[in-house]
Amino acid sequence: AQRVTQPEKLLSVFKGAPVELKCNYSYSGSPELFWYVQYSRQRLQLLLRHISRESIKGFTADLNKGETSFHLKKPFAQEEDSAMYYCALSVKAAGNKLTFGGGTRVLVKP
Amino acid sequence: NAGVMQNPRHLVRRRGQEARLRCSPMKGHSHVYWYRQLPEEGLKFMVYLQKENIIDESGMPKERFSAEFPKEGPSILRIQQVVRGDSAAYFCASSPVSGRDEQFFGPGTRLTVL
Repeated sequence: AQRVTQPEKLLSVFKGAPVELKCNYSYSGSPELFWYVQYSRQRLQLLLRHISRESIKGFTADLNKGETSFHLKKPFAQEEDSAMYYCALSVKAAGNKLTFGGGTRVLVKP
Repeated sequence: NAGVMQNPRHLVRRRGQEARLRCSPMKGHSHVYWYRQLPEEGLKFMVYLQKENIIDESGMPKERFSAEFPKEGPSILRIQQVVRGDSAAYFCASSPVSGRDEQFFGPGTRLTVL
């Protein structure tokens, strides 16, 4: 069975500082990895996915199959980045249902 | 496109009552997923449905919980004889017919069992 772990429940950084959210997964095959974000009073939305290999809102994430990690990074955090972030994994053979990590709350202080 | 709609947004039930949660997927989407989020936890998969079919219900408790997605109308998650442990946020997500695996989420229904 697949599993996603986000070790940090809360990350507090100052505006302009780098931020890195850790995500580790366990799955023996080839999963697809995602980062979802939930801003205050808004619905969960996709931030980025590993197959697109793009940067969204300054965030990037690289899939490291050797370390089974998909850490999310941003070099200069902004106050509007304050939100809940969820790492998730899906497997096509399993109907693409998402397995989520427990989430990391990011607080960017002015 | 209004996005995935869920209603009610908040639902309060007493122990032993029934709860019905509705999800209208985005227009053109025929795949629906239900997830549950207990307090201080991540979202957990419950059930995956396509029109008139349950594809995967491996995450749904065997008793008291059922789900449907009829040919016409919204998907319904039904919880019979609710207990306090059912208090959670229930999220619905939909994805397109094409099978693209991006899921679009609704705002959730927060169920409180007194």
